[in-house]
Order: sequence, then structure tokens, then C-alpha cells
Amino acid sequence: GQSLEQPSEVTAVEGAIVQINCTYQTSGFYGLSWYQQHDGGAPTFLSYNALDGLEETGRFSSFLSRSDSYGYLLLQELQMKDSASYFCAATPPGKSTFGDGTTLTVKP
Amino acid sequence: EAGVAQSPRYKIIEKRQSVAFWCNPISGHATLYWYQQILGQGPKLLIQFQNNGVVDDSQLPKDRFSAERLKGVDSTLKIQPAKLEDSAVYLCASSPPTGRASYEQYFGPGTRLTVT
Repeated sequence: GQSLEQPSEVTAVEGAIVQINCTYQTSGFYGLSWYQQHDGGAPTFLSYNALDGLEETGRFSSFLSRSDSYGYLLLQELQMKDSASYFCAATPPGKSTFGDGTTLTVKP
Repeated sequence: EAGVAQSPRYKIIEKRQSVAFWCNPISGHATLYWYQQILGQGPKLLIQFQNNGVVDDSQLPKDRFSAERLKGVDSTLKIQPAKLEDSAVYLCASSPPTGRASYEQYFGPGTRLTVT
């Protein structure tokens, strides 16, 4: 089977940096994606890591270590609008699997 | 470009009734996914199509759920008969056929189903 583990909740203050971790157990793993979902909204794609290392996209960065079956999403200069759920997803061809998500609350 | 379209947005039915959801993916996207998202959980893949062929349907409860993709474009997901535990948001997503972009899924707004 396939499973991804994430913390259920994270709280941080505006302007801070927060890291959301994801550990996975999958067969035929190809890469790790991250999605953001606001309450009542649809998931939107943030980033994808196929190779080990850090990928940076503006205030968001994502990291993958295949040897450790581990990745994280790093959010810098937090803004109130970043309050949302964040999902990591394993993307083997043929079946994508999402974690249960981390609810990020940004406080003023 | 237009995004993934889904209808209806909301549906309330009684248990044992049937319901159908429709999805129109982004033009040119060969891969189409149907997910079930229960409140507080991540999206759970029900079925994945590549063009009009099924790539994976291992988590689709085939005794009550069915899905088809007509001519490799639009798709419908049907539940018959519905159970209380089917109450969830049903998300449709699509992605391009090849390359790195194929890992990026574009989601529609979803259909919120309530079974009473």
C-alpha cells in the first residue's frame, strides 16, 4: 500500500517561517507534490520534487530526500492568506496518493 | 484557458437513491482523476483515466460506483445506491499527458454531496 504522514496542525505568526513535514511509504515512487486548499475551495498545485534537493518558488520551497522517504514544504514571510490546508501527494504513474493534510493557522 | 468544470456544485439525496456527477477537463489534458474528499481528510483517488482508458480504479467501490470517460474528454461518476458514508466532496482533476507538467493536477470546484 501507500501512505503519507503529515502533522495535522501547525500554527505560526505572520511574517514567520514554517516547515510542514511529510514522510511517505509508497511503492514505485516517482515524486512528491504539494497542494494548498483553502476552506471550501479546490486543491491548487504548489510544487513538485522529482529529484533530491530543494525547489524554490517565490515564498514557498519544497525539499525531497528519497533515501529518507521524507520531504517538506517551507513557507516564508507568512501572510494571513496562507492559512489553509496543505497536502503532500506521492505521484507514481497510475495512482496518486494524498496525505490527510496539515492545517496551517497564521496568527497576526 | 478555462479550468476544470464540474456540475452540479451541490447535491442532496436520500440514501439508496442514485446520483451522477459530470466533469469537463481542461482541453488537451489526457489524464482525468476522480477523488472523494471526506471532511478533514485528504483527497482519495477513486479512478484515473488516461484518455478513455482506466489506469487505476483499485479504490472505486465497484458495487455502487461507476465512472466513464466519453471519447477521452468529459467524464461522469455515478453512485447507485448511495449510502450515508458517501457524503463527501467529489473532486475532478486533470493533468497534461506528458513531461514534468503531467505531475501537476488541476482541480475543479468539486461537488458537495450530502446523503440523508
